[in-house]
Amino acid sequence: AQKITQTQPGMFVQEKEAVTLDCTYDTSDPSYGLFWYKQPSSGEMIFLIYQGSYDQQNATEGRYSLNFQKARKSANLVISASQLGDSAMYFCAMRETQGGSEKLVFGKGTKLTVNP
Amino acid sequence: DVKVTQSSRYLVKRTGEKVFLECVQDMDHENMFWYRQDPGLGLRLIYFSYDVKMKEKGDIPEGYSVSREKKERFSLILESASTNQTSMYLCASSLQGWSPLHFGNGTRLTVT
Repeated sequence: AQKITQTQPGMFVQEKEAVTLDCTYDTSDPSYGLFWYKQPSSGEMIFLIYQGSYDQQNATEGRYSLNFQKARKSANLVISASQLGDSAMYFCAMRETQGGSEKLVFGKGTKLTVNP
Repeated sequence: DVKVTQSSRYLVKRTGEKVFLECVQDMDHENMFWYRQDPGLGLRLIYFSYDVKMKEKGDIPEGYSVSREKKERFSLILESASTNQTSMYLCASSLQGWSPLHFGNGTRLTVT
Protein backbone atom coordinates (compact mmCIF):
# COMPACT_ATOMS: atom_id res chain seq x y z
CA ALA A 1 0.00 0.00 0.00
CA GLN A 2 1.22 3.45 -0.86
CA LYS A 3 2.37 5.28 2.23
CA ILE A 4 2.70 8.74 0.73
CA THR A 5 0.10 9.95 -1.75
CA GLN A 6 0.44 13.05 -3.88
CA THR A 7 -2.72 13.27 -5.95
CA GLN A 8 -1.68 16.16 -8.18
CA PRO A 9 0.70 15.07 -10.95
CA GLY A 10 0.87 18.67 -12.16
CA MET A 11 -0.12 22.09 -10.88
CA PHE A 12 -0.09 25.55 -12.44
CA VAL A 13 0.01 28.87 -10.60
CA GLN A 14 0.39 32.49 -11.59
CA GLU A 15 3.46 34.33 -10.39
CA LYS A 16 2.93 36.05 -7.00
CA GLU A 17 -0.04 33.85 -6.10
CA ALA A 18 -0.10 31.18 -3.40
CA VAL A 19 -0.33 27.47 -4.19
CA THR A 20 -1.03 24.36 -2.11
CA LEU A 21 0.50 21.00 -2.96
CA ASP A 22 -1.33 18.07 -1.41
CA CYS A 23 0.18 15.19 0.50
CA THR A 24 -1.51 12.45 2.52
CA TYR A 25 0.29 9.72 4.39
CA ASP A 26 -0.40 6.40 6.01
CA THR A 27 1.28 5.14 9.15
CA SER A 28 0.37 3.46 12.41
CA ASP A 29 3.53 4.65 14.10
CA PRO A 30 2.78 7.52 16.57
CA SER A 31 6.24 8.98 15.97
CA TYR A 32 7.09 10.06 12.44
CA GLY A 33 8.48 12.96 10.47
CA LEU A 34 7.25 14.59 7.30
CA PHE A 35 9.47 16.36 4.77
CA TRP A 36 9.09 18.28 1.56
CA TYR A 37 11.79 18.40 -1.10
CA LYS A 38 12.11 20.44 -4.28
CA GLN A 39 13.78 19.09 -7.42
CA PRO A 40 14.46 21.68 -10.14
CA SER A 41 15.15 20.61 -13.69
CA SER A 42 18.86 20.48 -12.86
CA GLY A 43 18.10 17.41 -10.76
CA GLU A 44 19.37 18.19 -7.27
CA MET A 45 17.05 17.45 -4.35
CA ILE A 46 16.62 20.45 -2.07
CA PHE A 47 15.20 20.08 1.44
CA LEU A 48 12.45 22.63 2.09
CA ILE A 49 10.62 21.98 5.34
CA TYR A 50 10.08 19.43 8.11
CA GLN A 51 7.16 18.62 10.44
CA GLY A 52 7.37 16.23 13.36
CA SER A 53 4.32 14.24 14.38
CA TYR A 54 4.40 15.71 17.88
CA ASP A 55 4.93 19.30 16.79
CA GLN A 56 2.05 21.44 17.99
CA GLN A 57 2.47 24.18 15.43
CA ASN A 58 2.65 24.05 11.67
CA ALA A 59 6.19 24.37 10.33
CA THR A 60 7.19 27.47 8.37
CA GLU A 61 10.35 28.33 6.44
CA GLY A 62 10.23 31.65 4.65
CA ARG A 63 7.63 31.39 1.87
CA TYR A 64 7.02 27.71 2.64
CA SER A 65 4.57 26.50 5.25
CA LEU A 66 3.24 23.07 6.03
CA ASN A 67 -0.47 22.68 6.70
CA PHE A 68 -0.34 19.70 9.05
CA GLN A 69 -3.68 18.03 9.83
CA LYS A 70 -2.80 15.02 11.91
CA ALA A 71 -6.29 13.53 12.22
CA ARG A 72 -6.69 13.63 8.44
CA LYS A 73 -3.11 12.43 7.90
CA SER A 74 -2.34 15.26 5.55
CA ALA A 75 0.73 17.47 5.27
CA ASN A 76 0.13 19.94 2.49
CA LEU A 77 2.85 22.34 1.36
CA VAL A 78 1.83 25.96 0.90
CA ILE A 79 4.04 28.24 -1.17
CA SER A 80 3.17 31.89 -0.83
CA ALA A 81 3.96 34.56 -3.41
CA SER A 82 5.09 32.10 -6.09
CA GLN A 83 8.18 32.94 -8.11
CA LEU A 84 9.27 31.67 -11.52
CA GLY A 85 12.12 29.84 -9.80
CA ASP A 86 9.59 27.76 -7.86
CA SER A 87 8.85 25.77 -11.03
CA ALA A 88 10.07 22.28 -10.16
CA MET A 89 9.04 18.83 -8.97
CA TYR A 90 7.97 18.70 -5.34
CA PHE A 91 8.15 15.55 -3.28
CA CYS A 92 6.51 14.79 0.03
CA ALA A 93 8.29 12.20 2.18
CA MET A 94 7.81 10.46 5.51
CA ARG A 95 10.49 9.23 7.87
CA GLU A 96 9.66 5.89 9.39
CA THR A 97 11.45 3.29 11.44
CA GLN A 98 12.40 -0.08 10.03
CA GLY A 99 14.32 -2.65 12.04
CA GLY A 100 15.51 -0.04 14.52
CA SER A 101 16.80 2.32 11.85
CA GLU A 102 15.08 5.09 9.95
CA LYS A 103 14.30 5.47 6.28
CA LEU A 104 12.56 8.06 4.14
CA VAL A 105 9.65 7.07 1.91
CA PHE A 106 8.71 9.41 -0.94
CA GLY A 107 5.55 10.17 -2.85
CA LYS A 108 5.46 10.27 -6.64
CA GLY A 109 5.76 14.02 -6.78
CA THR A 110 3.91 17.04 -8.13
CA LYS A 111 5.24 19.10 -11.01
CA LEU A 112 4.64 22.78 -10.31
CA THR A 113 4.73 25.32 -13.11
CA VAL A 114 4.72 29.01 -12.26
CA ASN A 115 3.43 31.18 -15.09
CA PRO A 116 4.54 34.82 -15.54
CA ASP B 1 27.72 22.60 3.87
CA VAL B 2 27.19 18.87 3.56
CA LYS B 3 28.60 17.44 0.39
CA VAL B 4 27.42 14.16 -1.06
CA THR B 5 29.41 13.20 -4.12
CA GLN B 6 28.44 10.59 -6.65
CA SER B 7 31.33 9.44 -8.77
CA SER B 8 29.61 9.62 -12.15
CA ARG B 9 26.93 11.91 -13.55
CA TYR B 10 26.26 9.74 -16.59
CA LEU B 11 27.06 6.07 -17.13
CA VAL B 12 26.38 3.73 -20.03
CA LYS B 13 26.77 0.00 -19.49
CA ARG B 14 25.94 -3.17 -21.36
CA THR B 15 23.50 -5.84 -20.25
CA GLY B 16 25.20 -8.36 -17.99
CA GLU B 17 27.99 -6.06 -16.84
CA LYS B 18 28.77 -5.60 -13.18
CA VAL B 19 28.23 -1.94 -12.29
CA PHE B 20 29.51 0.01 -9.31
CA LEU B 21 27.97 3.31 -8.28
CA GLU B 22 30.00 5.14 -5.68
CA CYS B 23 28.84 7.71 -3.15
CA VAL B 24 30.93 9.65 -0.64
CA GLN B 25 29.78 12.09 2.04
CA ASP B 26 31.98 14.42 4.02
CA MET B 27 29.90 15.18 7.12
CA ASP B 28 30.34 12.04 9.21
CA HIS B 29 26.72 11.05 8.74
CA GLU B 30 25.63 7.71 10.14
CA ASN B 31 22.87 7.03 7.62
CA MET B 32 23.31 6.57 3.89
CA PHE B 33 20.71 5.70 1.28
CA TRP B 34 20.40 4.65 -2.34
CA TYR B 35 17.26 5.56 -4.30
CA ARG B 36 16.29 5.19 -7.90
CA GLN B 37 14.05 7.77 -9.56
CA ASP B 38 11.82 6.99 -12.51
CA PRO B 39 9.21 9.26 -14.14
CA GLY B 40 5.80 8.84 -12.56
CA LEU B 41 7.15 6.61 -9.79
CA GLY B 42 8.98 9.12 -7.61
CA LEU B 43 11.93 7.98 -5.55
CA ARG B 44 12.09 4.37 -4.47
CA LEU B 45 14.45 3.15 -1.79
CA ILE B 46 16.82 0.39 -2.84
CA TYR B 47 19.05 -0.05 0.21
CA PHE B 48 20.13 1.97 3.20
CA SER B 49 22.79 1.73 5.86
CA TYR B 50 22.81 3.12 9.39
CA ASP B 51 26.38 2.21 10.27
CA VAL B 52 29.57 0.84 8.81
CA LYS B 53 29.11 -2.70 7.48
CA MET B 54 25.38 -2.51 8.25
CA LYS B 55 22.74 -2.57 5.54
CA GLU B 56 18.98 -2.80 5.29
CA LYS B 57 16.83 -3.64 2.27
CA GLY B 58 14.57 -0.92 1.03
CA ASP B 59 11.49 -1.36 -1.10
CA ILE B 60 13.15 -2.58 -4.32
CA PRO B 61 16.42 -4.39 -3.45
CA GLU B 62 16.15 -7.10 -6.12
CA GLY B 63 19.07 -7.05 -8.53
CA TYR B 64 21.16 -4.78 -6.30
CA SER B 65 23.62 -5.11 -3.46
CA VAL B 66 25.53 -2.56 -1.40
CA SER B 67 28.77 -2.17 0.45
CA ARG B 68 29.72 0.13 3.30
CA GLU B 69 33.26 -0.58 4.43
CA LYS B 70 33.89 3.00 5.59
CA LYS B 71 31.51 5.46 7.17
CA GLU B 72 31.84 8.03 4.41
CA ARG B 73 31.39 5.67 1.45
CA PHE B 74 28.33 3.73 0.32
CA SER B 75 28.50 1.73 -2.90
CA LEU B 76 25.63 0.38 -4.94
CA ILE B 77 26.38 -2.72 -7.01
CA LEU B 78 24.43 -4.09 -9.93
CA GLU B 79 25.68 -7.66 -10.14
CA SER B 80 24.44 -8.19 -13.70
CA ALA B 81 22.97 -5.05 -15.20
CA SER B 82 19.67 -5.32 -17.04
CA THR B 83 17.83 -2.83 -19.23
CA ASN B 84 15.12 -2.35 -16.57
CA GLN B 85 17.78 -0.90 -14.31
CA THR B 86 18.15 2.09 -16.61
CA SER B 87 17.30 4.93 -14.25
CA MET B 88 18.49 7.93 -12.25
CA TYR B 89 20.22 6.81 -9.06
CA LEU B 90 20.36 9.15 -6.10
CA CYS B 91 22.55 8.75 -3.04
CA ALA B 92 21.76 10.54 0.22
CA SER B 93 23.07 10.79 3.75
CA SER B 94 21.78 12.03 7.09
CA LEU B 95 22.43 12.12 10.77
CA GLN B 96 20.46 9.77 12.97
CA GLY B 97 17.06 10.90 14.11
CA TRP B 98 14.72 13.15 12.21
CA SER B 99 17.33 15.16 10.35
CA PRO B 100 16.78 15.78 6.63
CA LEU B 101 18.53 13.81 3.92
CA HIS B 102 21.25 15.47 1.87
CA PHE B 103 21.38 14.25 -1.70
CA GLY B 104 24.08 13.88 -4.30
CA ASN B 105 23.50 15.13 -7.84
CA GLY B 106 22.55 11.71 -9.14
CA THR B 107 23.92 9.21 -11.64
CA ARG B 108 21.95 8.64 -14.79
CA LEU B 109 22.60 5.03 -15.72
CA THR B 110 21.71 3.63 -19.13
CA VAL B 111 21.92 -0.11 -19.68
CA THR B 112 21.90 -1.15 -23.33
